[in-house]
Amino acid sequence: AAGVIQSPRHLIKEKRETATLKCYPIPRHDTVYWYQQGPGQDPQFLISFYEKMQSDKGSIPDRFSAQQFSDYHSELNMSSLELGDSALYFCASSAGLAGVTPLYEQYFGPGTRLTVT
Amino acid sequence: GQQVMQIPQYQHVQEGEDFTTYCNSSTTLSNIQWYKQRPGGHPVFLIQLVKSGEVKKQKRLTFQFGEAKKNSSLHITATQTTDVGTYFCATQGSNYKLTFGKGTLLTVNP
Repeated sequence: AAGVIQSPRHLIKEKRETATLKCYPIPRHDTVYWYQQGPGQDPQFLISFYEKMQSDKGSIPDRFSAQQFSDYHSELNMSSLELGDSALYFCASSAGLAGVTPLYEQYFGPGTRLTVT
Repeated sequence: GQQVMQIPQYQHVQEGEDFTTYCNSSTTLSNIQWYKQRPGGHPVFLIQLVKSGEVKKQKRLTFQFGEAKKNSSLHITATQTTDVGTYFCATQGSNYKLTFGKGTLLTVNP
């Protein structure tokens, strides 16, 4: 079965640079969530989109922005990177009202490991 | 938002021993979910509990939701090396965002 795809899998950036992370949800999933997981930490919710509209916002810095496109893929844009942004960034998708999988069940991608030096 | 406290932080067992992790909240939860994250992997959904006193089983895994819906547990019977990983409880709030507990890292000695 198709899973959530994230690219790139690994990214190394320097301080003050920008980064773009991409997420391709499971086909027919219309809701995307972004989570940040620091080393040894639990995933922290950043932002979510439903049908290309932002549905919720968590502890996402103003330096970060995200959007969901017409094909339902999503991008997380990160600017003025700081050392503390080094983390695993997970994208998860769910079916929303589409019903192909239970609405409450989120499927996580493999993550993008961002290292800021 | 709702927060869940999870204990223990770490648990090391011998293969064949049982394992339990607990989640507690000071407020009533509408639901509790459990995820497993293998080392270097991503969280994988295991189950959702929504009813007071609910008990669900998946092979050697037993999940419980407390009567007051303020606590939950995951119990693994006769652990195997394939059970290694971090087990997270999470609660799903408005707009379905997840709030995770700190997780319990399970290591199993063969």
